[in-house]
Amino acid sequence: AQSVTQLGSHVSVSEGALVLLRCNYSSSVPPYLFWYVQYPNQGLQLLLKYTSAATLVKGINGFEAEFKKSETSFHLTKPSAHMSDAAEYFCAVSRTGANSKLTFGKGITLSVRP
Amino acid sequence: DARVTQTPRHKVTEMGQEVTMRCQPILGHNTVFWYRQTMMQGLELLAYFRNRAPLDDSGMPKDRFSAEMPDATLATLKIQPSEPRDSAVYFCASGLDGQYEQYFGPGTRLTVT
Repeated sequence: AQSVTQLGSHVSVSEGALVLLRCNYSSSVPPYLFWYVQYPNQGLQLLLKYTSAATLVKGINGFEAEFKKSETSFHLTKPSAHMSDAAEYFCAVSRTGANSKLTFGKGITLSVRP
Repeated sequence: DARVTQTPRHKVTEMGQEVTMRCQPILGHNTVFWYRQTMMQGLELLAYFRNRAPLDDSGMPKDRFSAEMPDATLATLKIQPSEPRDSAVYFCASGLDGQYEQYFGPGTRLTVT
């Protein structure tokens, strides 16, 4: 079975600072990996996905993530945080051929200080 | 702009009452997922449909919850009878089988008093 670990529940950065949200996965077969963002009182929105093509994946709103098989990681980064990035971020994994089911991490809340 | 829609957006009901939540998946999508989100448990998968057939409802309390897809444009999640512990935000998501990403609706915030 696959799983996702998002360490910590809250990250706080200053506006303009680097954003780094960590995600480690466990999967016995090559995974598909996703990052979703949830703004207050809204549903989850897909930020980016890794589906075994390029290991560096660019998403919306200036975010990107790098798949590192040796580290079983898929960390999310953004060079310069904006106030509008404050939200909850979820990492998710799907096993190829697994009926499209996603396993989500517990999420991490990003706060951006002015 | 194709989106998943959910109704109602908010529901307050008394314990013991029946609650029905509806979801319209994105046109052409053939997979539908129901999730429940709470502070304590996070995001939990309740049920999953492919081509309107239920594939996995192991996350759903069977005694009070039921999920159906009467047609390709409508998915329903019903709770009968409702209990205070059912208070949560319920999300519907849809996708295309084999493409893995899911598109979420805005959710139904349920409060059972």
